[in-house]
Parts: sequence; C-alpha cells; structure tokens
Amino acid sequence: DIVMTQTPLSSPVTLGQPASISCRSSQSLVHSDGNTYLSWLQQRPGQPPRLLIYKISNRYSGVPDRFSGSGAGTDFTLKISRVEAEDVGVYYCMQATQYPYTFGQGTKLEIK
Amino acid sequence: QLQLQESGPGLVKPSETLSLTCTVSGGSITSSGYYWGWIRQPPGKGLEWIGSIYYSGSTYYNPSLKSRVTISVDTSKRQFSLKLSSVTAADTAVYYCARLESGSYGGGAFDIWGQGTTVTVSS
Repeated sequence: DIVMTQTPLSSPVTLGQPASISCRSSQSLVHSDGNTYLSWLQQRPGQPPRLLIYKISNRYSGVPDRFSGSGAGTDFTLKISRVEAEDVGVYYCMQATQYPYTFGQGTKLEIK
Repeated sequence: QLQLQESGPGLVKPSETLSLTCTVSGGSITSSGYYWGWIRQPPGKGLEWIGSIYYSGSTYYNPSLKSRVTISVDTSKRQFSLKLSSVTAADTAVYYCARLESGSYGGGAFDIWGQGTTVTVSS
C-alpha cells in the first residue's frame, strides 16, 4: 500500500495569514498514463469531505482561488493564501494512482 | 445536480453483516468513467477507502477488508450497496458513499460525497 504522510497534524493559523500543508507519499504517484492522482479534501466539522484539488493542482468547481496545490512525484503541498474562518476543519490528501486508494492522516486547521 | 444518499441500519450486532445502500439521484449511475465507492471514518479518526465498483459490476476492494466486503450495483434502481460481514466494534464508523471520475475522463478523485451514515456495532 502507498502510505500518505501529512505534516503538520495540527496547524494554528491567524485569520488572513497563509497556511501550508505537506503530504508525502511512500512511492511515486505518477500513474502509467502520465497523470498524478493526488487530491486534497476538506472536511469541516460535522460535514462529509469536500474535494478541493485534483491531479495535484487543479481546483475543483466552486473552490476559492485562495486554495492552491503543487508538487510532483512523492511530495505535495496544499496552500491557503489567506485563511478565512470558514477554512477551519481537517484537510486530507489522497492518492488514487494505485489500489488500494489511501489517505493521509489529516491536518487540523485551527484559528489562533 | 448529482446527489448521493446512504441508507441502512444504524446499529449492527457483533458478528453480523453490515448492509448499506447508496442511492444516486440527479444523474446516471451508468455514465462511462465514473466509479462508485465506499469510504469509512471511525469516530475521531481519518478516512479509509473500503472499495469501489463500476456500473458494469467490476469491483476493487481494500485488501485489508477484502475477505469481508462485497460491493454490488443495481443500475435499474440507481443504487450500489456495501455488505461487510463478521463485524466487530472496530467497524463502528461513519460510512460514506462517493463518486470518483476516472483519470481517463477527469480528475481521478472523489468529487461527490453523500452525507454519511453512522453505523455502530454493539450488542
């Protein structure tokens, strides 16, 4: 199985300031078709997960442009340019390059 | 727009079989390139992929659960289902159904999720 490791596990951030979450995979996420199936999901308290980013850096429909994704191979980053109150929740990276699909442990974003 | 809704018993006894159904509305379950999956989340913990199915019936299971999991699809009812046998307290979780658009067609990510249903395993 591909192990997804996120850092930090908790991130206290001041409103209006940037935030960054790292995700590292135990092996390359480049698929044989040339794509990298690394996505980021947000889970607000009491809600189901919501897709933010797919294929490393593509924002899903309706996702604010303050969210951005980057990376390649085994190292990936989710950045929030200016944190807003509604961004509080847990963020997960997920790989769908290889079965079984696996998720990172989650990073809890909190407001200071 | 497409929506998913989980349904099934909220309480299951140890050693019995957990059965859940996900109903797809506002769209087709037979559209090419879409896989239908089950993901679970134990209380206070992270997400675990259980398995996925294509409308043709092709299934993909997490090896950690494979011996106990069956996922099936009923295209006439626009539903897909999860059965997890021989449950224990460790299977207590919120169970989500979700849609994944394959990489050949789109993002290769779970883009639409149901609200989730809580299943407790207890006698």
